[in-house]
Amino acid sequence: GQNIDQPTEMTATEGAIVQINCTYQTSGFNGLFWYQQHAGEAPTFLSYNVLDGLEEKGRFSSFLSRSKGYSYLLLKELQMKDSASYLCAAMDSNYQLIWGAGTKLIIKP
Amino acid sequence: DGGITQSPKYLFRKEGQNVTLSCEQNLNHDAMYWYRQDPGQGLRLIYYSQIVNDFQKGDIAEGYSVSREKKESFPLTVTSAQKNPTAFYLCASGPGDSGANVLTFGAGSRLTVL
Repeated sequence: GQNIDQPTEMTATEGAIVQINCTYQTSGFNGLFWYQQHAGEAPTFLSYNVLDGLEEKGRFSSFLSRSKGYSYLLLKELQMKDSASYLCAAMDSNYQLIWGAGTKLIIKP
Repeated sequence: DGGITQSPKYLFRKEGQNVTLSCEQNLNHDAMYWYRQDPGQGLRLIYYSQIVNDFQKGDIAEGYSVSREKKESFPLTVTSAQKNPTAFYLCASGPGDSGANVLTFGAGSRLTVL
């Protein structure tokens, strides 16, 4: 079956770095997405990886290893506004998104 | 500004009633989607549409219905046949079938059954 695993909750300190991991098993693969969702709001797009390697976008970076079925989202210089849920989603061979349950990130001063 | 508008933001329904959630987009996207979000679970696809007058069932379509009469609009009806409708409903749109199909989401509609 198809499955996405990511930690339920993580806590980090303002100004620090945090890495949110995601492992996936899908029928075929057409890319890995990360979205940010603040409580009660719409998810917003952060990154898309389809090739192995690291994509950097300001304070946020996303990494993909297709052979390991693994991705991570790296957040640097954490700010209080980064407190949110981070959703990992893999696209299968039919271009359908398989979503993880999300990782709730709590930032402490 | 381009985006997706969902309404209402909050909705209360009595058991046995049908309710319709509105979703309108002005992004000129071909594809539109309805997801359900429950605590501790990933987004689950209810219905999606790649083109006007055509739509497909997602993983949890039972008890729901949709229409796609216009490119901009994709309303979702939660029928009385849906056994556990209390949830947060998200509408999304995207360019369509491709790898980099980045979705834009509406602000969501929270349905509570009394």
